[in-house]
Amino acid sequence: DVVMTQSPDSLAVSLGERATINCRSSRSLLYSSNNKNYLAWYQHKPGQPPKLLIYWASTRESGVPDRFSGSGSGTDFTLTISSLQAEDVAVYYCQQYYTTHWTFGQGTKVEIK
Amino acid sequence: EVQLVESGGGPVKPGGSLRLSCAASGFAFGSYSMNWVRQAPGKGLEWVASISSDTLHTYHVDSVKGRFTISRDNAKNSLYLQMSSLRAEDTAVYYCARGGTIDVYWYFDLWGRGTLVTVSS
Repeated sequence: DVVMTQSPDSLAVSLGERATINCRSSRSLLYSSNNKNYLAWYQHKPGQPPKLLIYWASTRESGVPDRFSGSGSGTDFTLTISSLQAEDVAVYYCQQYYTTHWTFGQGTKVEIK
Repeated sequence: EVQLVESGGGPVKPGGSLRLSCAASGFAFGSYSMNWVRQAPGKGLEWVASISSDTLHTYHVDSVKGRFTISRDNAKNSLYLQMSSLRAEDTAVYYCARGGTIDVYWYFDLWGRGTLVTVSS
């Protein structure tokens, strides 16, 4: 199975500051035939279902604020929240969909400093 | 309204069985691959099982193979997870999630609110 490893496990950021979450996969998620990275990011708040933020590593889902951005290719990816808002407090997960054994990272908890 | 609503969770004894359902509405259910994802208490998200739109292809995480079976009824806009030989470590909130229309190699763009399964004696 493809192992997804996120860092850090948690981070505390001041309101309005940048939050950066990293995700590394144990194999490349770049499919050469279409040049797409099979990597998604989700936001998960307590008592709510997970919410898709980013897919194909860098495409923002409709309705997601533009302070959320995704980057990276191959095995290394990043989710950036450019200016943290109170409502962004959540656990964030990366997920690979390159194989038919979908796997998630362990999650990164984002809090307000 | 586009939504997924899970049901069927509850308490069950180790070794017991349970069938989860997910009712879809507001979209062409039969055109999408579908998935189950779970979250154990205090843990992260874990993919459990997936099924293609035409029901021909199913996939299960190794830890549930031989015990859980994903299925769907496109005429009823419903997804199912038959769970047997349940173990304490299967205790989790189980989410139904929508995949893609082109193939199963897709992200999950719509999630239900989940149903809690508690396996305990």
